[in-house]
Amino acid sequence: AQRVTQPEKLLSVFKGAPVELKCNYSYSGSPELFWYVQYSRQRLQLLLRHISRESIKGFTADLNKGETSFHLKKPFAQEEDAAMYYCALSGGYSGGGADGLTFGKGTHLIIQP
Amino acid sequence: GAGVSQSPRYKVAKRGQDVALRCDPISGHVSLFWYQQALGQGPEFLTYFQNEAQLDKSGLPSDRFFAERPEGSVSTLKIQRTQQEDSAVYLCASSSGINTEAFFGQGTRLTVV
Repeated sequence: AQRVTQPEKLLSVFKGAPVELKCNYSYSGSPELFWYVQYSRQRLQLLLRHISRESIKGFTADLNKGETSFHLKKPFAQEEDAAMYYCALSGGYSGGGADGLTFGKGTHLIIQP
Repeated sequence: GAGVSQSPRYKVAKRGQDVALRCDPISGHVSLFWYQQALGQGPEFLTYFQNEAQLDKSGLPSDRFFAERPEGSVSTLKIQRTQQEDSAVYLCASSSGINTEAFFGQGTRLTVV
């Protein structure tokens, strides 16, 4: 069965410090990995997906198949980064529909001034 | 509308009552998903539609849960004889096709008392 693990429920960093939100997955095939973000009182929205290899709002994430990880990183945290972050996996038809997602439990990122 | 719209935003139901949750996807979006998000958890997949066809309902927790999308646009998630463990936020998402970005609604928070 596919699974996404985010080991930290809460991560607190100082403004300007580096951020790393951890995500590990288990999946037998070739997964597609995503990071979703939910800012306070807003809806869940896509931050980035591994196939795009983009940097969004200064965040990057590299898929490491050997370690089955997809950690989210940003070199310098900003106050507006405070949010709930969810790592998600899309593995095709089984386990979630054609591109239904399997989510981790989420990490609440707090930015201290 | 500009985004995925869900109604009602909040619903309080007495145990044993039937409820119906509505989702208006983005116009023209072929794919529609329902997720259940319990407190402190990530969203969990319930069911997936491609147009009016329900192609995957493997995530529905029991036969008390039923979803439909009769004309391939608006979808309704119905829960019969609600129980306390059904209390959660129910999220709807739509996308224009397979492997395209899914856009989420703001969710319906269901509380069963």
